[in-house]
Amino acid sequence: AQSVTQPDIHITVSEGASLELRCNYSYGATPYLFWYVQSPGQGLQLLLKYFSGDTLVQGIKGFEAEFKRSQSSFNLRKPSVHWSDAAEYFCAVDANQAGTALIFGKGTTLSVSS
Amino acid sequence: DTGVSQDPRHKITKRGQNVTFRCDPISEHNRLYWYRQTLGQGPEFLTYFQNEAQLEKSRLLSDRFSAERPKGSFSTLEIQRTEQGDSAMYLCASTIAGAEQYFGPGTRLTVT
Repeated sequence: AQSVTQPDIHITVSEGASLELRCNYSYGATPYLFWYVQSPGQGLQLLLKYFSGDTLVQGIKGFEAEFKRSQSSFNLRKPSVHWSDAAEYFCAVDANQAGTALIFGKGTTLSVSS
Repeated sequence: DTGVSQDPRHKITKRGQNVTFRCDPISEHNRLYWYRQTLGQGPEFLTYFQNEAQLEKSRLLSDRFSAERPKGSFSTLEIQRTEQGDSAMYLCASTIAGAEQYFGPGTRLTVT
C-alpha cells in the first residue's frame, strides 16, 4: 500500500547536538517530497521541499534534507539543534506530482534537552 | 500577504448539531485544500478546489461532510449532525497549482 513512514515517534536531542529525522515512502514513482513543522497550537509551516534536481535541499531555520531514490527516503537533518526547534515534524508526499493531495506521515515529536 | 486564515479557531458543539468552518486562502492562490488532523496523527486529506471547482471529494469522510468555494476565493467546510468522532483539528491550505501548500492555523472542533 502507498504510505509515508516516520519510524521515530519521539526523539530527544541535546541542545547543540545534530539531528536526523527519518522518512520513507512507498510509491512507484518519485513523488514530490516535503517536510513541515508544527508547534503546539500552530498550523503547519513548510521547512523544505524536493521536486527534482539536486538531491540535497536546503530549507529554512538551518534544516536540510537528502532524497535517496534507492532507499525511498527523504531524511531531515540539522547540524546543531536549538531549544526552539522542539516541535512536531511531518514528512509529506504528493504522489501524483500534480499539486493534489498531500499524504502525511504520523509525525515525529522532537524534544530538546539543555 | 496575510497568509491563510481560518475561522473560528475553536468550536465546541453538542452531538447532532451542524457546524461550519471558513477558510480564506492567500489571495492569489487558486487551489484550496481541507485536511483533518486527529491527536497523534498527521493531517488527512479531505478535499480540494481549483478556483470554484471541487476536483476531489471522494476522501470526504461521510456524506455528513461537504465543502464549497462559491466564488473561487474563501471556502467553507460543513459537518452535519456532528458525532464525537468528528472531534479533531480541521486544517485549510492553499497554493498556486503545482507548488507547495501553505497551511492556516486550523479550527479545533470539540463535539460533546
